[in-house]
Amino acid sequence: EIVMTQSPLSLPVTPGESASISCRSSRSLVDSNGYSYLDWYLQRPGQSPQLLIYLASNRATGAPDRFSGRGSGTDFTLTITRVEAEDVGVYYCMQGLQTPLTFGGGTKVEIK
Amino acid sequence: QVQLVESGGGVVQPGRSLRLSCAASGFTFSSYAMHWVRQAPGKGLEWMAVIWYDGSEKYHAESVKGRFSISRDNSKNTLYLQMNSLRAEDTAVYYCARDFSRTRCSYFDYWGQGTLVTVSS
Repeated sequence: EIVMTQSPLSLPVTPGESASISCRSSRSLVDSNGYSYLDWYLQRPGQSPQLLIYLASNRATGAPDRFSGRGSGTDFTLTITRVEAEDVGVYYCMQGLQTPLTFGGGTKVEIK
Repeated sequence: QVQLVESGGGVVQPGRSLRLSCAASGFTFSSYAMHWVRQAPGKGLEWMAVIWYDGSEKYHAESVKGRFSISRDNSKNTLYLQMNSLRAEDTAVYYCARDFSRTRCSYFDYWGQGTLVTVSS
C-alpha cells in the first residue's frame, strides 16, 4: 500500500496571501505513461469532496486559477495564491496509481 | 449535468447487511469506472472499492474484502455496494464517485452527496 503523508495538519491563512500544502508518497506515483497519478481534492464544510487538481498539475474544470499543483515522483505541492474566504475546508491528496487508492490525512485550511 | 445520488443508508445493527445504491444521470454511465469512498465521522477519506466500466474487474480495500462487494447495473445506470457483516467501525458517510477512466484508476471528477450508514445496536 502506498502511504500518503500531508503537511501541515492545519494551515491558518490570511485572505489575499498565498498558502502551500505538501504531499509525499511512499513510492513514486509516475506510471509507465509518464503521468504522476496524484490528485488534490477540497472538502468544504458540510459538502462532498471536489476535484481541484488531477495528474499532479492539471486544474479541474471549474477550479479557480489561483489553485496550482506541481511535483513529480514522490513530492507534490498544492499552492493557493491570493487565498479567499471560500477556500476554507480540508484539502486531501490522493494517489490513483494503484489499488488500494490512498488519501493523505488532510490539511485543514482556515482563515486567520 | 452529471449527477450521482446515493441512497440506502440508515441505522443497522452489527452483523446485519445493507445495500447502498448510487443512481447516475447526465452522462453515459456504462463508459466510466466507478468507486465507493467512505468517511467516518470527523475523519478523513478512505477508498473502498472500484469497478470497471463493464463490471469486468473489481477491487476492494483490505478492510472490507470478503464483507463488501461492489457491483453495477449499466441498464439501470446504478452502482451498488453490498455490505455484509457490518461492524461499528463501518459507520461513515459513503460516497460514490466517477472515475475519469474506463479501465484504470485515475481521478474522481464527480462525487455524490453521500449517504450515512450508522452501525449500532
